[in-house]
Amino acid sequence: GESVGLHLPTLSVQEGDNSIINCAYSNSASDYFIWYKQESGKGPQFIIDIRSNMDKRQGQRVTVLLNKTVKHLSLQIAATQPGDSAVYFCAENMGQAGTALIFGKGTTLSVSS
Amino acid sequence: DVKVTQSSRYLVKRTGEKVFLECVQDMDHENMFWYRQDPGLGLRLIYFSYDVKMKEKGDIPEGYSVSREKKERFSLILESASTNQTSMYLCASRSGQGTIGYTFGSGTRLTVV
Repeated sequence: GESVGLHLPTLSVQEGDNSIINCAYSNSASDYFIWYKQESGKGPQFIIDIRSNMDKRQGQRVTVLLNKTVKHLSLQIAATQPGDSAVYFCAENMGQAGTALIFGKGTTLSVSS
Repeated sequence: DVKVTQSSRYLVKRTGEKVFLECVQDMDHENMFWYRQDPGLGLRLIYFSYDVKMKEKGDIPEGYSVSREKKERFSLILESASTNQTSMYLCASRSGQGTIGYTFGSGTRLTVV
């Protein structure tokens, strides 16, 4: 089936830098996207979401950008901290009520002090 | 605090054993899901359930079955465990009332020897 993918499996940044994690999706009918963070030994946790009628959404230190023209989603983390070290997943909802989310393969973010 | 609880964090089972992975949610959610998570492959959907006694196959149901006798509990069953079922198993739930994002459990790391 169609799947959501991430461009890079790993990303290493210095503390205080801004991080950008990318995701490409394949289904133009997808109407809702979510970013999850998974710390070691834990289940994924919701970070931020965006609907397909939006281009940008901001949270606390995080921003999600959606480019529907090229089917691209990104997560920007401002002033990255060591506690941000985790695996980040994007997920898409394919526009049909009741369907399961489709997840990307994940990007491991490592933040060094 | 709402929760999805997976009964075991770590399990070691022998090849051929019948294995039960239990998941309980306290949010009165209609939808529940089982994923497995493997390095480089991300989260892959095994089975999901929209309501009590209902189940749907995901992308990789072979070798698994599920049971949902009560709304709060969704069990994943490995009928005859094999070494290629060694993995991290994640349970998730969501309300059927318009919410799209999931709440995840902490995961069960299963090793089949």
